[in-house]
Amino acid sequence: DAGVTQSPTHLIKTRGQHVTLRCSPISGHKSVSWYQQVLGQGPQFIFQYYEKEERGRGNFPDRFSARQFPNYSSELNVNALLLGDSALYLCASSRLNRDSNQPQHFGDGTRLSIL
Amino acid sequence: AQKVTQAQTEISVVEKEDVTLDCVYETRDTTYYLFWYKQPPSGELVFLIRRNSFDEQNEISGRYSWNFQKSTSSFNFTITASQVVDSAVYFCALIRDSNYQLIWGAGTKLIIKP
Repeated sequence: DAGVTQSPTHLIKTRGQHVTLRCSPISGHKSVSWYQQVLGQGPQFIFQYYEKEERGRGNFPDRFSARQFPNYSSELNVNALLLGDSALYLCASSRLNRDSNQPQHFGDGTRLSIL
Repeated sequence: AQKVTQAQTEISVVEKEDVTLDCVYETRDTTYYLFWYKQPPSGELVFLIRRNSFDEQNEISGRYSWNFQKSTSSFNFTITASQVVDSAVYFCALIRDSNYQLIWGAGTKLIIKP
């Protein structure tokens, strides 16, 4: 079975632009979470979606938004990009929402660089 | 509030040495789950283990072992007979029973020298 897949792998944008990152969860996983990992730090939670509904949001500005599609894939959108948005964006999927002890499985991430 | 502390920023050892990575957590919840993830230079986060707050049994998986002690709020990770391929950043993380958000430590960069 395929793992969590993310696209693109790398992306270079300039300040003020917007970006869309994509994630396909492991087959059978209905929950998708997004994390931002700045170089040298641990991941920071951005969003969680389950059954196409937002179930959690981290401490990120409204420039960050996401959605989940009927096939459980997800998009993360970031508007008005800032230099500080440069990071590795990780997508994770898990089997259930209520059973929070299920491990989240991560994709390889999208490395976003803002010039 | 929940918090995970990995005080060791970087550890460097020679191959075949044993090494322990420390993890201390804070939570007021009685039910929670702890995780260790490995992040090699390629960037992907690899799940290693999860532990729930009611199971304090230590676990061994090959050269890896985990020591969970609620009395000291610690969940330490030991690699026995380390190998160069163990070089990576290791993260400890916490999740509440009623939540979905992983709280991460800052990570410990482990360097295994040949």
